Formats: sequence, structure tokens, C-alpha cells
Amino acid sequence: EPEVTQTPSHQVTQMGQEVILRCVPISNHLYFYWYRQILGQKVEFLVSFYNNEISEKSEIFDDQFSVERPDGSNFTLKIRSTKLEDSAMYFCASRVRGGTDTQYFGPGTRLTVL
Amino acid sequence: AQSVSQHNHHVILSEAASLELGCNYSYGGTVNLFWYVQYPGQHLQLLLKYFSGDPLVKGIKGFEAEFIKSKFSFNLRKPSVQWSDTAEYFCAVNGNNNDMRFGAGTRLTVKP
Repeated sequence: EPEVTQTPSHQVTQMGQEVILRCVPISNHLYFYWYRQILGQKVEFLVSFYNNEISEKSEIFDDQFSVERPDGSNFTLKIRSTKLEDSAMYFCASRVRGGTDTQYFGPGTRLTVL
Repeated sequence: AQSVSQHNHHVILSEAASLELGCNYSYGGTVNLFWYVQYPGQHLQLLLKYFSGDPLVKGIKGFEAEFIKSKFSFNLRKPSVQWSDTAEYFCAVNGNNNDMRFGAGTRLTVKP
């Protein structure tokens, strides 16, 4: 069964450094998402992406964050200058269509900012 | 704005006990409702979903959930839990917009 994959599984970085988290959505999916889960807290929506542009973003997704689909398969989340509070599990998700279709989640990347 | 509330932060049960996890949502329009499970060290997996039709939906591993529109609820149930059900359970909702809103999660611990 096709699945969403994410790399790396764990990323450790110094505060102020840039990080890029990578996701490979399921191949025929058209809608892509990033979520994060700070340890012990709920999963929070960051951004949705469709047709090569951001369709919606939350208040968490500030100017430090950006997303890109650089080729036909990858979907990346970049954090320009990491802060301690960016430490979290970051989940990528994708779905075929918008609306009622199910989102499929990747295994997550654990980001630790020191 | 849509929001999701899960009433129980941590539930501890013995094997074979019955389970009910509460979920209430706040949203004015048509909603799609989901329960996801996250086993220790693993990613989110879909347990079941409700879009329309029969308000009692059955999912994987013997779980079911009932959508009660008048109560804005979508509680998760299982008649007899197993030790392997130990996990974090998340209720989620999305409406006409594109994103998914999650509840805070309920940690279920099943004692063997």
C-alpha cells in the first residue's frame, strides 16, 4: 500500500540554523499538508498546499516557515532560523482531493533545536 | 472557528473492559469527522471516519464511533479493549476548508 514518507526521522539543529524537512506524498495525491505536535500537546495544523501554492496557513506558520514542491515528488518544509520552541514532531500529510477525502499521514520528523 | 474537545486526557483500563472516549466539536457547517490512533513510536493512523450516511461508523480493530449531530459529538467506542490498544487517540474534524483540526488527544493505557 502506498504511504507518505518523511526524512529525516530525527533532526537535531542549533538555534538559528535553517532546517529543511522532506516529505514524499503518495504519488497521485494533489493536496499536501504540514502539521506539528509539540511533545505532550495536540497535533496542530501549519499549512496546506495545492496547485503549487499555499491554500491555507495557521497563525503558527509565520515568515520563518516556507513550503515548496521543488519537483514532482517532494514536498518540503523549511524553517529559516530555528528557535527552541520549534522543537516538535512534524507530520506531512497528503490526500487525493480536497473536501471529504482522507488525509494520509507520514511517520513524522522529530526536530530538536538546541 | 472550528475546534475539537476531548474530555479525557488519560484513561486507564484493564483488558476486556469497555471503552468510550469523548469528542465534541464546534463548527457551524457540515463536518467530516475522524479518529486517528498513534501507537507508541509510530505515526498517526486512521481508525475510522464519518462523512455522511449512517451515523454509526465502524473502523478497524473493532472500534466504532457514533456521530450525534444534536450533541456535536463523535465518541469512540470499543466493547472490549486489548493490551495492544494502548496508544494515543485523536479526534479530528474538517469542514469546508482544507485543514484538519485535532483534539488534544486521549492517552489510553490498557493493563494486561
